[in-house]
Order: sequence, then C-alpha cells, then structure tokens
Amino acid sequence: QKEVEQDPGPLSVPEGAIVSLNCTYSNSAFQYFMWYRQYSRKGPELLMYTYSSGNKEDGRFTAQVDKSSKYISLFIRDSQPSDSATYLCAMPGAPGGSQGNLIFGKGTKLSVKP
Amino acid sequence: GAGVSQTPSNKVTEKGKYVELRCDPISGHTALYWYRQSLGQGPEFLIYFQGTGAADDSGLPNDRFFAVRPEGSVSTLKIQRTERGDSAVYLCASSLKGLGGDTQYFGPGTRLTVL
Repeated sequence: QKEVEQDPGPLSVPEGAIVSLNCTYSNSAFQYFMWYRQYSRKGPELLMYTYSSGNKEDGRFTAQVDKSSKYISLFIRDSQPSDSATYLCAMPGAPGGSQGNLIFGKGTKLSVKP
Repeated sequence: GAGVSQTPSNKVTEKGKYVELRCDPISGHTALYWYRQSLGQGPEFLIYFQGTGAADDSGLPNDRFFAVRPEGSVSTLKIQRTERGDSAVYLCASSLKGLGGDTQYFGPGTRLTVL
C-alpha cells in the first residue's frame, strides 16, 4: 500500500459545479496536509494547507481533514474553467512534520467545462 | 520577487550521456528539494538540502544520481550514464527553513528526454 493514495481521474464537471477531491493516507503520524494545484507544463503551487484535523476555508476552496479515517478532502465551490488543472495532495514525509520533503498523491486531473 | 527558476527547461540527450540540471531557489531560502515527476504521477522526492549539506538523499534512485549545493543557494542535479527510464520532469522547490509546515515553492521543472 502506498503512503498516499489518490484517484487520478480524470474528472470532468460543468462550470458552477461543486467538486470533491480526496486522498487517503496510511501513516497516522502525518500532521500537515497540503493541496497543490498544477497547471499543464508548470510546477505545483500550494493551494491549501491544514494542520491536524478539521476544516479550513479560503474563498471557493475548503480543505477537510479526518485523521480518524486517514482521509483528506478538497472541495471547490462554483467551479470555473480556470480551475482546470491537476490537484495533488501532499504530506511531509517525516513523522510530525519535522522535515519538509513531501509525499505526493498521483494527482487528480480536473476539467471544468464552460 | 523572483520565484524558483530551473534551466534548461527542456533537455534531450542520448542514452549513456551525462546531464546537469540547474536550480536557482528563492533568495534567502535555506531548504532546497529535488523531485522527479513521471507522466501521470505525482512528484517523487529525490533529495533535500539544508544549506550546503544534503540532509536527506534517501530518494535518489541509484548512484548515477548526484546533487550539489556548494554555496547554499544554486543547486545542480547530475545524472551519469542516463537511461531511458530517467525521462521525466525534474522539479526543484525551495522553502524558508525546511520544516514540515513550510510552504515549498516549485520551479517550472526541466523536462528530460533520454532517447
């Protein structure tokens, strides 16, 4: 079992839809949880970052962490064509987050159709 | 300010050749990371520098891969005797201190193709 699992999609939705992206992980010591967005032929950019369990909201984006289930989610409300990208979940490889090298999921490719 | 830059943006080489990939991190960032991203996969960690020293090189796949950061800023990833399986996008990232909560800023990557 890989440390971080993510359905690669692709996922296609109409403009304005609510998008739900998910990852599962196996290491219960993970404390930091990130979502990166990667446009085609670009490097990943940090979108959302949460520490421990709970929700975090930033505009149209909500990140959710359920440590008891080892499950994290990213919700996108009122999706726009400009949200079309690959979304990667990531967690620091060192338990407790003492060191920053990241373990990434495979990424989910999202397409928002106008 | 300027972000992370990587050169070249594309590199095509023949099997068995030696290549060097360069990364210029954000000024003042002490931590620098190299990742490799194959088609349809997430980035895979290769090596992490804290200052001039390699703090963790556990992701380097074999001894054909080597990286340096002699003055604590620019880093070079070196690949000897390239193989077709080395074809991927090589990403560099930097962060302020290298702690788990730090934001890593990624460069655009170098797309390496080994023929």
